Amino acid sequence: AQKVTQAQTEISVVEKEDVTLDCVYETRDTTYYLFWYKQPPSGELVFLIRRNSFDEQNEISGRYSWNFQKSTSSFNFTITASQVVDSAVYFCALSEASVRDDKIIFGKGTRLHILP
Amino acid sequence: DVKVTQSSRYLVKRTGEKVFLECVQDMDHENMFWYRQDPGLGLRLIYFSYDVKMKEKGDIPEGYSVSREKKERFSLILESASTNQTSMYLCASSFYYHTGDAGNEQFFGPGTRLTVL
Repeated sequence: AQKVTQAQTEISVVEKEDVTLDCVYETRDTTYYLFWYKQPPSGELVFLIRRNSFDEQNEISGRYSWNFQKSTSSFNFTITASQVVDSAVYFCALSEASVRDDKIIFGKGTRLHILP
Repeated sequence: DVKVTQSSRYLVKRTGEKVFLECVQDMDHENMFWYRQDPGLGLRLIYFSYDVKMKEKGDIPEGYSVSREKKERFSLILESASTNQTSMYLCASSFYYHTGDAGNEQFFGPGTRLTVL
């Protein structure tokens, strides 16, 4: 069965610090997709990244970077030089390619507080 | 840009009322989803639809029904609202690539915070 675990329920860091959000997943499929979403206080989930299981290259987008390691079933998200605007709930998610309906299983989220 | 809109940001209803939550997407997506989000429980899938007039139960369908008469619109219905349905409701949509490349990202609406008194 597929499962996504975000062990960190809540994290607080001071602005400009780096912070890593952990994500561990479980799946029996060899082809699957991993996602990160951001939910700011306004409530709307914003898509950040999608990775397929065959692409283990790390991704960097500005201050955001993602580390995908199949060996440990992890897809961690790092924010470098954090800013107050990064305060949000972040969700890691998984979708298996074998299902037609494109269901996504979400982790329970990590609430990130960036303190000024 | 993909746009998913929901009919209300905030809604207050009374126990026993019939409640309709509407969701519209403007990108011709095949798939549409309804989730509820509660503190400590994350997002839980209520129902989804991958085509007009098609619907599938998600993880927590009890007490809810859905309707998809047009491709762009997916409605969530609470036949008789109860206090334990007080929650944030999120609608999402995604493409289905018929080449078989599943796992497409979902695009979310702003959410409806429903309070049942």
